[in-house]
Amino acid sequence: SYELTQPPSVSVSPGQTARITCSGRQLGTKYTCWYQQKPGHSPVLVIYQDKRRPSGVPERFSGSNSGDTATLTITGTQAMDEADYFCQAWDDSRVFGGGTRLTVL
Amino acid sequence: QVQLRESGPGLVKPTETLSLTCTVSGDSGDYWSWIRQPPGKGLEWIGYVYNDGRTNSKPSLRSRVTISIDTSRKQVSLNLYSVTAGDTAIYYCAGASGNYAGFDSWGQGTLVTVSS
Repeated sequence: SYELTQPPSVSVSPGQTARITCSGRQLGTKYTCWYQQKPGHSPVLVIYQDKRRPSGVPERFSGSNSGDTATLTITGTQAMDEADYFCQAWDDSRVFGGGTRLTVL
Repeated sequence: QVQLRESGPGLVKPTETLSLTCTVSGDSGDYWSWIRQPPGKGLEWIGYVYNDGRTNSKPSLRSRVTISIDTSRKQVSLNLYSVTAGDTAIYYCAGASGNYAGFDSWGQGTLVTVSS
C-alpha cells in the first residue's frame, strides 16, 4: 500500500519561513493536498492540487510537488499558524501522511 | 457552503457494529468520505461514496466497512463491523468537490469509543 512520510515536528520563529515535507514514491506524479488542524478542531484544507489555495486561505501558504516530495511552505509564519499539518494524496484510494506538528517559537 | 453533521452512538461494544450517519446541508459536493482519527494520532481515510452510489474503501478495512448514500435524505452512512478497541477514534464526515480537489468540507467529528 502507498505510504506518505512527514517529519513529526517542525519549529519556526515568527516571521520566518516554515517548510513541511511529505515524501512518497513518485509523489510528484500524484496530486497532493494539505490540511491544517488546530487542537479540538476539524481539519481545514489549505492547499489542493499541489499548489492551489482555497478561497479564504492566506497567501502565505503555498505548495509544491516534484519527484518524491511535496512541500508546504508558510512564508512569514504567524503564531496562529501553529497547528498539525497533514498531507494527502490519491492512489487507488486516499492516503494521509502521519502529520507534522508546527511550533512557532 | 456545505455543512456536515455526524451522528450516532458514542459507545460501541467489542464485536458489534459501529453505525454513523452524516447529514449534509447547504451546497452539495461530488463525493463524501469517512475519515477517522484516534485520540492524539493522525488521520486515516476509511472510504468514500459518490452521489451516484459508487464506493471505495481502504483495503485493510474493506472487509469490515460499508458506506452508502441516501440522496433524497442527503445522508451518508458508515457501518464498521466487528469493532475492537483499535477502532476507537473521532470519526469525521468530509466532502469533496471534484476528484482531486481535496476535502473542502468537514463535520465537527464524533468520538466513538469501543469498550465493554
